[in-house]
Amino acid sequence: DIQMTQSPSSLSASVGDRVTITCQASQDISNYLNWYQQKPGKAPKLLIYDASNLETGVPSRFSGSGSGTDFTFTISSLQPEDIATYYCQQYDNLPPAFGGGTKVEIK
Amino acid sequence: EVQLVESGGGLVQPGRSLRLSCAASGFTFDDYAMHWVRQAPGKGLEWVSGISWNSGSIGYADSVKGRFTISRDNAKNSLYLQMNSLRAEDTALYYCAKDLAATVTTLAYWGQGTLVTVSS
Repeated sequence: DIQMTQSPSSLSASVGDRVTITCQASQDISNYLNWYQQKPGKAPKLLIYDASNLETGVPSRFSGSGSGTDFTFTISSLQPEDIATYYCQQYDNLPPAFGGGTKVEIK
Repeated sequence: EVQLVESGGGLVQPGRSLRLSCAASGFTFDDYAMHWVRQAPGKGLEWVSGISWNSGSIGYADSVKGRFTISRDNAKNSLYLQMNSLRAEDTALYYCAKDLAATVTTLAYWGQGTLVTVSS
């Protein structure tokens, strides 16, 4: 099975800061990588699919990049409503594994 | 508007069975793969199982293989998860999710979940 290693597990940043989360796959997954946001007490929401494609309606401050084994998720200017846990997920092979999550808090 | 409504959760004793259902509306159900994903209290997301649009491709997490069975009824716009031989570690909020595609790829839309508690 493919393992997804996400870092950091948590971070604290100020409003307006640039926030970066990384996700590393245990083997080449091409661009078969998605990013999800889960706010406290809510169901997850798809933000980015195929490594860099923004889902409809998602603010442009969110972006993703990478291919192969190394991927990056960026919030260009952190907003208070971005407080959430973010997960990467690969779908190159079954099972479509999630990363461990990154909890983003406001400093 | 896409709607996914899970049901069937509850408190169950170890070793017993439970069947979860997911009622879908707002999209053409038989055009898309569907998934079950769970989240134990205070923990991350764990993909449980997925099924392609025509049930031709099915996958399970190793942790549930041989105990859980996913199925769908396209005529009823419904997804199911039959859970047998339940264990304490199966305690979680179980989400139903719609894929972006006909085969297992991206969990595009999620329901609100149904809670399963396995305890004596």
